[in-house]
Amino acid sequence: SQKIEQNSEALNIQEGKTATLTCNYTNYSPAYLQWYRQDPGRGPVFLLLIRENEKEKRKERLKVTFDTTLKQSLFHITASQPADSATYLCALRNQAGTALIFGKGTTLSVSS
Amino acid sequence: DGGITQSPKYLFRKEGQNVTLSCEQNLNHDAMYWYRQDPGQGLRLIYYSQIVNDFQKGDIAEGYSVSREKKESFPLTVTSAQKNPTAFYLCAIKDRGPGYTFGSGTRLTVV
Repeated sequence: SQKIEQNSEALNIQEGKTATLTCNYTNYSPAYLQWYRQDPGRGPVFLLLIRENEKEKRKERLKVTFDTTLKQSLFHITASQPADSATYLCALRNQAGTALIFGKGTTLSVSS
Repeated sequence: DGGITQSPKYLFRKEGQNVTLSCEQNLNHDAMYWYRQDPGQGLRLIYYSQIVNDFQKGDIAEGYSVSREKKESFPLTVTSAQKNPTAFYLCAIKDRGPGYTFGSGTRLTVV
């Protein structure tokens, strides 16, 4: 069955550094992958979508890469700020194409 | 939350009781979803509905039921058959854009 792994539960970095989060998936070849941000006690908020034919996508300080050979997406936040502290989730469509399945998330803490 | 409303924000359930969580949207979208979130478990799909009067089981549907009588409403009932209902429940709609829009969630606690 499909499996999504975000291999760090927590990541702590200093302000101004680049945060890199990893999302790996198995038993599936998704047409696209999505990243969400979730703050404590709130619902996830959509950030970016990257398609299988796109190697890289950027939005302000965010950059996402998608390597379909490695079955991996990397999510980068450059010049990180304490306000970037949150849990970041990656998501793929299920094999039936009817709903998203989510990784467990990586909680990023940016210290000043 | 972009036109999707979940209520209540906090809900307490006694053992053996059924409770119903509300999810309403005013964006005229067809597809709606219910997810459950436990600490360290990420989001797991309970039920989804792609059109009125139709819904499908997700990965963890046992102990839950839903209805979709109106396009704008997709209530979730947590039945007494759900043995471990304490969790954060999230409702979502499929945007016209690329992502999902989530409600603010209902935190259910068994007392």
